[in-house]
Amino acid sequence: DIQMTQSPSSLSASVGDRVTITCRASQDIANNLGWFQQTPGKAPKRLIYAGFNLQSGAPSRFSGRGSGTEFTLTISNLQPEDFAIYYCLQHNSYPRTFGQGTKVEIK
Amino acid sequence: EVQLVESGGGLVQPGRSLRLSCTTSGFTFGDYAMTWVRQAPGKGLEWVGSIRSQAFGGTPEYDASVQGRFSISRDESKRIVYLQMNSLKTEDTGVYYCLRDSAMVGYYYYYGMDVWGQGTTVTVSS
Repeated sequence: DIQMTQSPSSLSASVGDRVTITCRASQDIANNLGWFQQTPGKAPKRLIYAGFNLQSGAPSRFSGRGSGTEFTLTISNLQPEDFAIYYCLQHNSYPRTFGQGTKVEIK
Repeated sequence: EVQLVESGGGLVQPGRSLRLSCTTSGFTFGDYAMTWVRQAPGKGLEWVGSIRSQAFGGTPEYDASVQGRFSISRDESKRIVYLQMNSLKTEDTGVYYCLRDSAMVGYYYYYGMDVWGQGTTVTVSS
């Protein structure tokens, strides 16, 4: 099974900051990775697909990079609505596996 | 508009069964694999299982934690995907989400997990 190691588990940041979250896969997953945002009580929403493609309707301050085993999600100019939990998910093979999640909190 | 609507959740005793349904609309259901994901209270997301499209055999895959207890099926005519949960355990408690997974249409590959249902809550408790 492919393990997804996501870091950090939490971070504190201020509005306007730039933050980066990393996911590392235990083996090569090509670009079969998505990033998801979840706010309390809501279903997750996809932000990034195929490693770096911005989901239609997602703000352009979200960007993804990487392929193979290392991936990053960057949020530029953090906005109040961005304080949430972010997950990566590999869908290169079964079982699908999520990262542990990163909680982005207000400093 | 693409929509996924889960139903069937509720309170159930350990060892009993429950069947969840995911009713879909707004897309060519038969082209897509479908996936179930769950989230225990206060915890992260956990993949439960998926079912391939008929073009790829319509076969399911399961997480080890539910293998042998859960089964996923799909009804193409009704555009519904089911999650049959047997021998339920307290650790199966959580919100269950239905997702549209990937599709291969002609030479084009559609990356999946783009549409989620609102979730249905399963509580396993005596």
